[in-house]
Amino acid sequence: EPEVTQTPSHQVTQMGQEVILRCVPISNHLYFYWYRQILGQKVEFLVSFYNNEISEKSEIFDDQFSVERPDGSNFTLKIRSTKLEDSAMYFCASRVLGTANEQFFGPGTRLTVL
Amino acid sequence: AQSVTQPDIHITVSEGASLELRCNYSYGATPYLFWYVQSPGQGLQLLLKYFSGDTLVQGIKGFEAEFKRSQSSFNLRKPSVHWSDAAEYFCAVGRASSNTGKLIFGQGTTLQVKP
Repeated sequence: EPEVTQTPSHQVTQMGQEVILRCVPISNHLYFYWYRQILGQKVEFLVSFYNNEISEKSEIFDDQFSVERPDGSNFTLKIRSTKLEDSAMYFCASRVLGTANEQFFGPGTRLTVL
Repeated sequence: AQSVTQPDIHITVSEGASLELRCNYSYGATPYLFWYVQSPGQGLQLLLKYFSGDTLVQGIKGFEAEFKRSQSSFNLRKPSVHWSDAAEYFCAVGRASSNTGKLIFGQGTTLQVKP
């Protein structure tokens, strides 16, 4: 069964460093998402991406964040200068076209900023 | 403001007992409703979804949920819990009119199953 994969599973970085979180969505999916979950808090929407551009982003998704689909299979989230408060579990998700369709989630990347 | 509330942060039930996890939403438009489950180290797996029609929906692993518009609720139920059901459960809502399909999640409920 096809699944969304994410790498790495755990990333530790120093404050101020850039990180790139990688996701491989399901191959025939067209909408891609990043969510995050700070420990003990809700899963929060960050950004959605369709047709090679951002379709919606939350207030959390400021200029420090960017997304890219560099090669038609990977979907990346970059944080330019990490802060302590960026420490969270980051989930990638994808879905086929059509709002009613479920989103398939990856296992997440745990980002720890020291 | 759009929001999802799961009033119970942690629930413990005995194996074989029935289960109900509560979910209330506040949404201005017609909602799409979902329940996801997350086992340790795993991603979020869809249990069931409601878009329209019959308000009682069946999902995987013997779960069901009932949409009650008058109560803005979408509670998850299972008649007999198995030890393997121990996990974290998330209720989520999406807007039917949204082009992006983003989901808004509740806080999650951690289910512990006693032998």
